[in-house]
Amino acid sequence: SQKIEQNSEALNIQEGKTATLTCNYTNYSPAYLQWYRQDPGRGPVFLLLIRENEKEKRKERLKVTFDTTLKQSLFHITASQPADSATYLCAYNTGNQFYFGTGTSLTVIP
Amino acid sequence: NAGVTQTPKFQVLKTGQSMTLQCAQDMNHEYMSWYRQDPGMGLRLIHYSVGAGITDQGEVPNGYNVSRSTTEDFPLRLLSAAPSQTSVYFCASSYMPGGPRLFFGPGTRLTVL
Repeated sequence: SQKIEQNSEALNIQEGKTATLTCNYTNYSPAYLQWYRQDPGRGPVFLLLIRENEKEKRKERLKVTFDTTLKQSLFHITASQPADSATYLCAYNTGNQFYFGTGTSLTVIP
Repeated sequence: NAGVTQTPKFQVLKTGQSMTLQCAQDMNHEYMSWYRQDPGMGLRLIHYSVGAGITDQGEVPNGYNVSRSTTEDFPLRLLSAAPSQTSVYFCASSYMPGGPRLFFGPGTRLTVL
C-alpha cells in the first residue's frame, strides 16, 4: 500500500530561524511531491510542487528538496515568522488518487 | 470566483440517520474528490470523480456514496451514519485528473452520536 510519513512531533522554533520539515515515502516512486499548509479549522492550501527531476524548488522564503534515492522531501522555511505557524502536509498522487502525510505542526515563537 | 464551497460547516447526526454533504466548485475543474481527516490519520481519500457521470472509490469508501451529474457539484451521501464516521470532511478539486495540485474547500465537521 502507498505510504507517506511525516514527523508527527510538533516543531517549535524561534522567530528568524529556519524550520525544516521532513516527508518520507515508501512503496512508490512519485513523479512529484506537493506541500500544503493547513491552518486550524480550515482546508489545506497548496504551497509548492517539486518534480522528480528537480532537486530543489524555491518560492520566496520556502524551499523544497526532493531526494529520490532517500525517498525523502525536505521543506524549509527561512527567516521564519509567527505567521508561519500552521500544520504542513506533504502529498503525492498515483494516477487519480492522492495520498497525504499526517502533517507536522510548526509553531514559530516570537 | 468562490473556489470550492462546502455546506454545512457543522452537522450533528444520530446513528442511523442519513445526510448529504454538499460540494461545489466554480473553476470548471474536471477532477473532484472527498477526503476525511481524523487525528493521527491524515487526509484519506473517500471517493473521486474525473468528470460528470464518472466516479470511483478511494482508500476508505465504505458507508459513503457519491454521484457527479454536473461538472460543478459533487455531493457525498452518508446512507446510515455511524459513530466511526465522525470526522472532518474536505472536498477538493483539480484542473484535471491526477492534479497536479488540489484546491480544498473549508470543510464540514460531522459528529455522529
